[in-house]
Amino acid sequence: QKEVEQDPGPLSVPEGAIVSLNCTYSNSAFQYFMWYRQYSRKGPELLMYTYSSGNKEDGRFTAQVDKSSKYISLFIRDSQPSDSATYLCAILNQAGTALIFGKGTTLSVSS
Amino acid sequence: SAVISQKPSRDICQRGTSLTIQCQVDSQVTMMFWYRQQPGQSLTLIATANQGSEATYESGFVIDKFPISRPNLTFSTLTVSNMSPEDSSIYLCSVEDKPSGDHYGYTFGSGTRLTVV
Repeated sequence: QKEVEQDPGPLSVPEGAIVSLNCTYSNSAFQYFMWYRQYSRKGPELLMYTYSSGNKEDGRFTAQVDKSSKYISLFIRDSQPSDSATYLCAILNQAGTALIFGKGTTLSVSS
Repeated sequence: SAVISQKPSRDICQRGTSLTIQCQVDSQVTMMFWYRQQPGQSLTLIATANQGSEATYESGFVIDKFPISRPNLTFSTLTVSNMSPEDSSIYLCSVEDKPSGDHYGYTFGSGTRLTVV
């Protein structure tokens, strides 16, 4: 089993839709969870960060961690065409030295 | 957040040759990371580069194939040696960045898109 699993999509939604992006992970010891957004021909940029369980909200974005299920989610409300990108979940490894990434989900928001 | 300049942004290379990718950061950082992003795959860590010591390579990556230099706290290079078409990928430089001081964050360069023919 891979350490982080993410459905690559692609995912296509109309403008204004609520988007749910998800990852599962295998190691219950992981504590730091991140979501990165990557536009075409650009490097990933940090979108959201969560420590341990719970929710974190930033504008239209909500990151959620369910440690009991080893499941992390990113919700995008009122999605916009500018949200069209690849979203990567990332988890800090146990040593705290580097990130383990999911494959990324490609999202397309149509106007 | 740190700003990373990565060069070249793209290149097309002949098999059997080598390419050196440069990563320049606008602030001093302890750890620099090199990742590979193959089509349809996760970003995979190649190695961690600390200034003044040998790079630490992840399983499946070796120094002979991916030699790394880290001459100071703002600069690193990754060389892809004796290239084959399987090395066609995006190579990304990253640094640990704590913009808020209270949590981990990792900033990435824009990447080098390498095509080996």
